[in-house]
Amino acid sequence: EIVMTQSPATLSVSPGERATLSCRASQSVSSNLAWYQQKPGQAPRLLIYGASTRAAGIPDRFSGSGSETEFTLSISSLQSGDFAVYHCQQYNDWPLTFGGGTKVEIK
Amino acid sequence: EVRLVESGGGLIQPGGSLRLTCVVYGFSVSTNDVTWVRQAPGKGLEWVSIIHTDGREVYADSVRGRFTISRDNSKDMVYLQMNSLRAEDTAVYYCARAGGDSAFYIDFWGQGAPVTVSS
Repeated sequence: EIVMTQSPATLSVSPGERATLSCRASQSVSSNLAWYQQKPGQAPRLLIYGASTRAAGIPDRFSGSGSETEFTLSISSLQSGDFAVYHCQQYNDWPLTFGGGTKVEIK
Repeated sequence: EVRLVESGGGLIQPGGSLRLTCVVYGFSVSTNDVTWVRQAPGKGLEWVSIIHTDGREVYADSVRGRFTISRDNSKDMVYLQMNSLRAEDTAVYYCARAGGDSAFYIDFWGQGAPVTVSS
């Protein structure tokens, strides 16, 4: 099983600042990596797939990068609606696996 | 508009059975892979099972032999039959659509069905 590790567990950021979230895979997942945003009481929402392709309707302040085992989600100029938990997921191999999540909170 | 709506969750005793139902709108379960993902209280996401367009089923080790995924193409419904339930199966269960073209990211999620296994 591919283990996905996200860091940090919690990120405190001021509105308008940039957030950088990391996701590491225990073995190569090529570019088969997705990012999701989840707000309290809601289902996750797809942000990024293929490591760097934004899903439909996702603003360009969200960007993904990386390949193989190291991935980054960047959120430029954080807005109030961006404070949430972010999950990464690999779909290169079975079972599909998720990271433990990074909570982005208001500083 | 793509939507997925789960039902069938609830409180069940350990060792009991429950069937979750997912009705989909805006796409067909015969031409899209549909998956179940769960989230225990305060925890991260855990993939549970998927049914492929060709009917193949894949399961997480934690549920294999106890859970069964199936579908009804004529009704655009997917089911998750859960048997021999354990306390650690307590979670919100999300029905979701896989992205397609053998790229198993999840592009649409249901609102979730809570399942509590407790005596």
